[in-house]
Amino acid sequence: EVQLVESGGGLVKPGGSLRLSCAASGFTFSRNSMNWVRQAPGKGLEWVSSISSSSTYIYYADSVKGRFTISRDNAKNSLYLQMNSLRAEDTAVYYCARDPSSDNWFDPWGQGTLVTVSS
Amino acid sequence: DIQLTQSPSSLSASVGDRVTITCRASQSISSYLNWYQQKPGKAPKLLIYTASSVLQSAVPSRFSGSGSGTDFTLTISSLQPEDSATYYCQQSHRAPLTFGGGTRVEIK
Repeated sequence: EVQLVESGGGLVKPGGSLRLSCAASGFTFSRNSMNWVRQAPGKGLEWVSSISSSSTYIYYADSVKGRFTISRDNAKNSLYLQMNSLRAEDTAVYYCARDPSSDNWFDPWGQGTLVTVSS
Repeated sequence: DIQLTQSPSSLSASVGDRVTITCRASQSISSYLNWYQQKPGKAPKLLIYTASSVLQSAVPSRFSGSGSGTDFTLTISSLQPEDSATYYCQQSHRAPLTFGGGTRVEIK
């Protein structure tokens, strides 16, 4: 069974940093692009970042560019999101999601991890 | 950026009804349009990819998608109680990848 499990969320002060992790299992992680998508409380979905299978291609939403860094460790079947200079508007549930065919659609999604930025 | 406008933003329908949700893109995206279902407190689930394709056995046959260019439709042929959820479209034509605002479907 394909499974994605996020961790690392929590409460952080504005300006602070947090590193999210996503542990993958049930598929050959190194063959798939991966993504982070977030959802602010009561709001819709917002794509955050994508990374290709070998980390050659990396993309960010304008809202996080220069503050967030996506990375992956194929040997550990893990995806990461380093979040710096956090703002209140970054408060959201963060989901990792697989791109099964490198066509930029997402399946499956992890259960999500909540990041709260507040003083 | 490519904007996606979903309509309606919410609807209420009876079990057995045919339900149609539309998604309009601000520019042509060919068939690069995907649909997701999200239930409260849960992660989104892929329903339809590239406008009309369905993952084998993963999605009930009552869900279907159509469209190309700028206008797309998600249809539930016979609404079931478990279909109560919010539905999102997402374009995969060009970065930044974007989502529609969502359509909340309630059962009368």
